[in-house]
This record gives sequence, structure tokens and C-alpha cells, in this order.
Amino acid sequence: SQQGEEDPQALSIQEGENATMNCSYKTSINNLQWYRQNSGRGLVHLILIRSNEREKHSGRLRVTLDTSKKSSSLLITASRAADTASYFCATVSPGYSTLTFGKGTMLLVSP
Amino acid sequence: ETGVTQTPRHLVMGMTNKKSLKCEQHLGHNAMYWYKQSAKKPLELMFVYNFKEQTENNSVPSRFSPECPNSSHLFLHLHTLQPEDSALYLCASSQRADHQETQYFGPGTRLLVL
Repeated sequence: SQQGEEDPQALSIQEGENATMNCSYKTSINNLQWYRQNSGRGLVHLILIRSNEREKHSGRLRVTLDTSKKSSSLLITASRAADTASYFCATVSPGYSTLTFGKGTMLLVSP
Repeated sequence: ETGVTQTPRHLVMGMTNKKSLKCEQHLGHNAMYWYKQSAKKPLELMFVYNFKEQTENNSVPSRFSPECPNSSHLFLHLHTLQPEDSALYLCASSQRADHQETQYFGPGTRLLVL
């Protein structure tokens, strides 16, 4: 069954602005991962945050995790047109060996 | 370039055809995966292979038949498909399937069933 659910479904911003995407999930997790997918292409791993971590940074990306609320957010700062893509969260639950993906957020960054 | 390649990139087939999708990873990983991505639906896991053994079959119809001859190669054999099977088929690999860390995806095969 679907675990992660991203919000919003679509987001349109101007270059230079920040983009925030949220992910909510239903059951406990071992880790949560964010992936990016350019149109019709494969997914690219962005960042992994473990259940005992609250925040992680990678370049212009900042991910937070609130296990009490079963939610995560991905912040992209100073966005660029090249950030235009779909962004997915994926969770790994204890006792399971597979990722469960949400439907994704489509981000459009206009020049 | 993620180190995972897929061929063909595009495929059009009739419902009576038989075709195969190929995936190869150059990362030294031991786990490989097939996913189906349809419009407006979450990525669906189809099959998982860990050290060449199939460990997961997510209730996939028998018209999809996976094959993993070694840890670097994964095939998906297709026969008598339906139009609703049209989708992007993604292959992925990871170090091992029982420790879920990062997965590395190929570019996908866009399949159209007529």
C-alpha cells in the first residue's frame, strides 16, 4: 500500500525562490529518501535521512524529518530552472526490505 | 549517468508480440529491481532480486517474466501484454536488498502496447 504522500502535487516558482515539498507517511520507518526524476527519465537519489535524524543538508537541499508527525520536508534553496523535475519521497519500514514511493511533487522553476 | 543502463529506451509492441527488456548495472551491486511507472500513480515495485534470487514478486501478472542470470543483468520478458501495461519500466540496483539504502535507477524503457 502507498506509504509516502507528497504535498503539493504541483509547485510553480520563479528562479531564485525557495521550493518546499512535504511528505507524509503512515507507519514507522527506518529511513526516508528523496529522489528526483526529470521528465520521462530514471530517478536520481538526492538524500537519505534516518529515523533518528532530524535534519540533513546536501548543497542547496535541506531535509527535515519529524517522526512524531510522520512527515518530512524537502527544501530547495535558490532554485534554478534545472531543478524543474518531479520529486518523490520513499520510505523503508522496519522488517521490510523495499522502498515505498509516493506519487511525487512536480516542480516547475521558471527563468 | 547512474551506472545502470536499460535497453531499449522505447518499445512499441502489439498484444501478441514477445519482447524483452534488458537492464545492466556496472556498480558491483547485488540487488536489482523492476518498477512500473504509470501516469498519476506511485512507482510500483514489480520484482526484486537479491544475489540472483527472486525475493519479491509483487502480485505481478504472469505475462511479465523476470530473469536474473547474474548480479549485473536483469531481464523482463513480455508476452501477450495488454494496453494498460503501457508505462515506463524502470530498473534499479542497490548494494543488497535486505539493507535498504540508496537505489540507483536506469533511464527506463517507455513501453507502448497497441
